[in-house]
Amino acid sequence: KQEVTQIPAALSVPEGENLVLNCSFTDSAIYNLQWFRQDPGKGLTSLLLIQSSQREQTSGRLNASLDKSSGRSTLYIAASQPGDSATYLCAVRASGTYKYIFGTGTRLKVLA
Amino acid sequence: NAGVTQTPKFRVLKTGQSMTLLCAQDMNHEYMYWYRQDPGMGLRLIHYSVGEGTTAKGEVPDGYNVSRLKKQNFLLGLESAAPSQTSVYFCASSTGQGAMNTEAFFGQGTRLTVV
Repeated sequence: KQEVTQIPAALSVPEGENLVLNCSFTDSAIYNLQWFRQDPGKGLTSLLLIQSSQREQTSGRLNASLDKSSGRSTLYIAASQPGDSATYLCAVRASGTYKYIFGTGTRLKVLA
Repeated sequence: NAGVTQTPKFRVLKTGQSMTLLCAQDMNHEYMYWYRQDPGMGLRLIHYSVGEGTTAKGEVPDGYNVSRLKKQNFLLGLESAAPSQTSVYFCASSTGQGAMNTEAFFGQGTRLTVV
């Protein structure tokens, strides 16, 4: 059974720091992995999608990497800003299924 | 530019009442999903659909029913609401698995309280 874990559960950093959020999954047979952002009381906003054949994806200050063999993905946020404060979720779509399995998220606070 | 729209956004129900949550997507997506989000438990899949007229159970289907009579709509029903169903409900959609872009898009959520 696919399980997704995100560590740490919460993170507080000063503005301007570069930071890394981690996502690990137990079954390497995945179709893709997606990172989301969720603001308090809001829905999920897609940040980056990495297909199983890709190693990384970039969007602005965000870079996500994927290492299927080790069951890991990282989300790198450069030069963090207070506006980056949110909960970040990763989800994997296992090969041969229609479902997305979510981690419990990392709650990020960037201090001004 | 609607994407995935959920109705209603908030609702308070009394135990035993019934209600239907509506999800509509305008992206011609094949797959649609209903998740619930609870503190400390992340998002858990309730039911999903891989096409018009089809539905399937997810991780936590008990107490819920779904229907997908039209491709663009996915309805989640609670026949007899219980306090344990107090949660935030999210609908999502995505293209079919054979398509290159299988990104999932989410609605803004429905906050349901059962008293």
